[in-house]
Order: sequence, then C-alpha cells, then structure tokens
Amino acid sequence: ETGVTQTPRHLVMGMTNKKSLKCEQHLGHNAMYWYKQSAKKPLELMFVYNFKEQTENNSVPSRFSPECPNSSHLFLHLHTLQPEDSALYLCASSQEVGANTEAFFGQGTRLTVV
Amino acid sequence: ELKVEQNPLFLSMQEGKNYTIYCNYSTTSDRLYWYRQDPGKSLESLFVLLSNGAVKQEGRLMASLDTKARLSTLHITAAVHDLSATYFCAVLMDSNYQLIWGAGTKLIIKP
Repeated sequence: ETGVTQTPRHLVMGMTNKKSLKCEQHLGHNAMYWYKQSAKKPLELMFVYNFKEQTENNSVPSRFSPECPNSSHLFLHLHTLQPEDSALYLCASSQEVGANTEAFFGQGTRLTVV
Repeated sequence: ELKVEQNPLFLSMQEGKNYTIYCNYSTTSDRLYWYRQDPGKSLESLFVLLSNGAVKQEGRLMASLDTKARLSTLHITAAVHDLSATYFCAVLMDSNYQLIWGAGTKLIIKP
C-alpha cells in the first residue's frame, strides 16, 4: 500500500467518451504530478501542481485537463482522446516542488483508447 | 535541454553475477534518483544521490554519482531473481526542479 492511490487501475474508453482519473495522496505533500508512461519511452511529465497551483504544463494537448481542488487530490479529465493516448498514467507527489523533490508514485491507471 | 541516457536498455543475466547499469546526463545537476518498477506496479524510490562522489548501498544494490563526469552507476552484486525489474534514473533540472527520466533498463535475472 503506497501513500499515493490512483483510481481506476484500468480504463478502456472510446474516442468520444469523457472520463476522469483520480489521484489521492496521504503523505501531507504539497506538490502533485501527472506523468505519462508509454512503452519504450521515458516518463513524460504532463502537469505539476504546487500548493494547488499549476506550475507546469508540458505542452499537453487540451484533451487532457487537470484539476487540483486541494493538495491531497488531483484529477485528470479526459475527452476525445486518440488511440496514441493509450498508456500508463502515473500520479506522483512530493513534499514540494524544489530541491527536495523525491517523488512517491501511485500504481498508475492503465488507459486504453479504442 | 537536459537529456538522460541509460544503458543498457535491456539486460539478461544469471543469478550470482555482477553487473552495472549506467546513467549519463547532458547538463549540470547535483541530484539524481534511482527508481525500480515491477511489472504492473508503481515506481519505488531506491536511492537519492545528492552530491559529487555520493555512494549509497542497499542490499545487493549500490549507486554512485560523479557530477563532473555527469554519470551515475547502479551496481548489482551477486544478482538474485528478486531483483528482476525495470530500473530508472532521473535527474533534477536545476532551472525548474523537474525530473528528467532515462528510458529505463529492463533487468531479467535468470535462476
């Protein structure tokens, strides 16, 4: 059991669907992250939130929309995705964005877009 | 732009052998992380290396950092099957504190 919990663990969605991924951390951290992990590629940082404020958006298409209502929760809203968006989506948290950036990861949501 | 290269990307070895995974990075950084990922599981933090010459050991794994050479190594001693996993290094960018990740080394240790 990690301190970062992601739901659902698996998701299959059509290209016209709207779905959301949820992440919750119980570590008292102030920074949360969304990463995309595709086969044979390095982890790609998508979004960073520090104290509930978005500090990074790494050129992510608008069909991915993050939401951070508080420091413990992070959502990734998905709509009109493409098959190439199929990947493992990982949420992580750290004490804050900065030099002490040891990140703790959730188990990920395996997303398949059909 | 900071780039992180791991090699090898795939390694199959016998139990009891020693081997080293290398992580090279392209610009200055004083902070490097090693993570382990089992299939279908989360990434687990193994080591945080904070300065030049840092060496950390946990069981059969030992990590080191040479910031002048921009190189970190993860050394496996007398490998056992339980160490089979994918190992990632990640380097912290000084400019914006983002982690830049290597592509991972998939390690298979055969009994």
